[in-house]
Amino acid sequence: QVQLVQSGAEVKKPGASVKVSCKASGYTFSSYAIYWVRQAPGQGLEWLGIINPGSGGTRYTQKFQGRVTMTRNTSTATVYLDMSSLRPEDTAIYYCAREPLGPWGQGTLVTISS
Amino acid sequence: QSALTQPASVSGSPGQSITISCTATISDVADSKYVSWYQQHPGKVPRLLIYEVSNRPSGVSDRFSGSKSGNTASLTISGLLPEDEADYYCKSNTIGGTSVFGPGTAVTVL
Repeated sequence: QVQLVQSGAEVKKPGASVKVSCKASGYTFSSYAIYWVRQAPGQGLEWLGIINPGSGGTRYTQKFQGRVTMTRNTSTATVYLDMSSLRPEDTAIYYCAREPLGPWGQGTLVTISS
Repeated sequence: QSALTQPASVSGSPGQSITISCTATISDVADSKYVSWYQQHPGKVPRLLIYEVSNRPSGVSDRFSGSKSGNTASLTISGLLPEDEADYYCKSNTIGGTSVFGPGTAVTVL
């Protein structure tokens, strides 16, 4: 079945970087864009950006331009979210999701704490 | 301020119908036909209910319906059930090729 499986929880210090992976299976990887969403504790959903696994093309929300990079590895059908200069307010569950109808990954908790 | 506004909360009794609005406040999203709606229960992954304004994915109950008029999209839940108590988010594409979520609406079943 179609599924996205994300990497495990991360704990990082302020100023560090984190890389979250999202491994796709059950469909043709290059045919569907994947986007990233985050949800801080008790807060709403925030759309971060999207990657076209076929071309590698990306678009990011202006808020995260320069701090977020999305990449993919077509040989392993995996997309990656890199976020740098982490601050405590980046603590959130990070989700990947396939356009247009899903599914979503199970989420990865990223905690930023000194 | 979000590019999309939603009521913070909506409530209804079992069996009633409720409607959640999602209003675009900037022109970048106002004309989009790519409006989606998601349901999220506490501690769970969001679930797609409606895509492209009014289309339901397979497996989603026909009690959920979507529409759009002008710069406001709406999600209607008819025949309200206790399990419909959740948070609901709209999402819209922008002309810049990105997307944005609304702030979310908490639905309470009285």
